[in-house]
Amino acid sequence: DAGVIQSPRHEVTEMGQEVTLRCKPISGHNSLFWYRQTMMRGLELLIYFNNNVPIDDSGMPEDRFSAKMPNASFSTLKIQPSEPRDSAVYFCASRGGTGTGVYEQYFGPGTRLTVT
Amino acid sequence: GEDVEQSLFLSVREGDSSVINCTYTDSSSTYLYWYKQEPGAGLQLLTYIFSNMDMKQDQRLTVLLNKKDKHLSLRIADTQTGDSAIYFCAETLQAAGNKLTFGGGTRVLVKP
Repeated sequence: DAGVIQSPRHEVTEMGQEVTLRCKPISGHNSLFWYRQTMMRGLELLIYFNNNVPIDDSGMPEDRFSAKMPNASFSTLKIQPSEPRDSAVYFCASRGGTGTGVYEQYFGPGTRLTVT
Repeated sequence: GEDVEQSLFLSVREGDSSVINCTYTDSSSTYLYWYKQEPGAGLQLLTYIFSNMDMKQDQRLTVLLNKKDKHLSLRIADTQTGDSAIYFCAETLQAAGNKLTFGGGTRVLVKP
């Protein structure tokens, strides 16, 4: 299995620009999570989906952030407009739906975002 | 305050055992996890334990859970330089949709 795939791995953009981060979960997993990691705040859950439906977006910082999951194999996290304080590593994770797999969450390699 | 707490740093000599500690506050935790993060990489699931278990062993890794004290530990036997990383403890709560809540991470440095 290829694991969770994220793109791009690195993104440098200027303040005010739109940024789109992409994620392909592990095939067969039915839950998908977006996290943000910073030195100051550690790992924060932004939003998660079950069966492509957003379940909890209480961690999304503000309206500039939006996430979609149009199908079981693809999700995007969009920031518009971006600000320097959005600079962080963004992780996508997915979780399987049967047996003990429902408790095993696997992470992608992350996208390092730098907003100048 | 934080739901899951860990010490910031641990230094250990190669070949010794490492013990990383974690405390949590919610007694209704269902599963407790240990993840490893190497520099520039994502989080790797190492092991996890169901809350009705006291211990789980997997090769060099031993997880101990003291539910009364809400204390979780990860012991790494025969620590190697490749074990240098940040280790995160996490819990899930069934009432919260089995979302993971992470501690701040413990940076482990293995010295030769």
